[in-house]
Amino acid sequence: DGGITQSPKYLFRKEGQNVTLSCEQNLNHDAMYWYRQDPGQGLRLIYYSQIVNDFQKGDIAEGYSVSREKKESFPLTVTSAQKNPTAFYLCASSIREGSYNEQFFGPGTRLTVL
Amino acid sequence: AQSVTQLDSHVSVSEGTPVLLRCNYSSSYSPSLFWYVQHPNKGLQLLLKYTSAATLVKGINGFEAEFKKSETSFHLTKPSAHMSDAAEYFCVVFKAAGNKLTFGGGTRVLVKP
Repeated sequence: DGGITQSPKYLFRKEGQNVTLSCEQNLNHDAMYWYRQDPGQGLRLIYYSQIVNDFQKGDIAEGYSVSREKKESFPLTVTSAQKNPTAFYLCASSIREGSYNEQFFGPGTRLTVL
Repeated sequence: AQSVTQLDSHVSVSEGTPVLLRCNYSSSYSPSLFWYVQHPNKGLQLLLKYTSAATLVKGINGFEAEFKKSETSFHLTKPSAHMSDAAEYFCVVFKAAGNKLTFGGGTRVLVKP
C-alpha cells in the first residue's frame, strides 16, 4: 500500500532532551511538510521541503530542525530550544509545488514533554 | 495575506439531519480552497477541493461545498449526517509559495443518535 508512515505514534520526552520524529512516504512525492497541531487550533507549518537536500522554514520553525537526505524521508527533530513542544505532529507530502496538488497526511505523532 | 475563518468551533446535529459548516476566507487573488476531515488521533483526509472550475464542488462521503466569491465563503454541507461523520473539519486556503496551506481553526462535529 502506498502512503505516509510516522513513528512512533506516541512519544514521551523529558525536558531538555532532543527527540526525532520519523516520516516516510512511498508515494514518490517530491514535496514534504511538517505541521504542528495544538488543541482547538488548525495546523501550523514548521518546515517544508520541495526537493532532496533542500528545505525551508515555515511559520513556526524556531526550536525545530529537519533534514532531507532521501526523497522518501523527512525527519523532524524537536530540540530543547522549543519552549512548548507538547503537541500533535503531522507529516504530509505532495507531488510537487502547485495549487492543484493535494497534500497527503500521515497518521501523526503525539509528543508529550514530561 | 491569506486567512481562513471557520465560524463555528463546534456543531451538533442529529443523525439524518443536514450538516452545515461555515468558512470564510480572505485572499488577494482567486484562491484554491480545500476541506479536510480529521478523525480522532488520525491524520487529515481530503474531502474536496475548489480550483477555479465549477463553483459547486462534490466530495467524498456525500459532502459538497459551494464557492461564493461575492461572499468570500466556502461552506461545507451534507444533506444527511451519519454517525461516522463525527470528526473535526478544517477549511484550508492554498498559499502560492511552496504549496503552503493556511488552515482555519477547525469545526468539531458531534452527531447525536
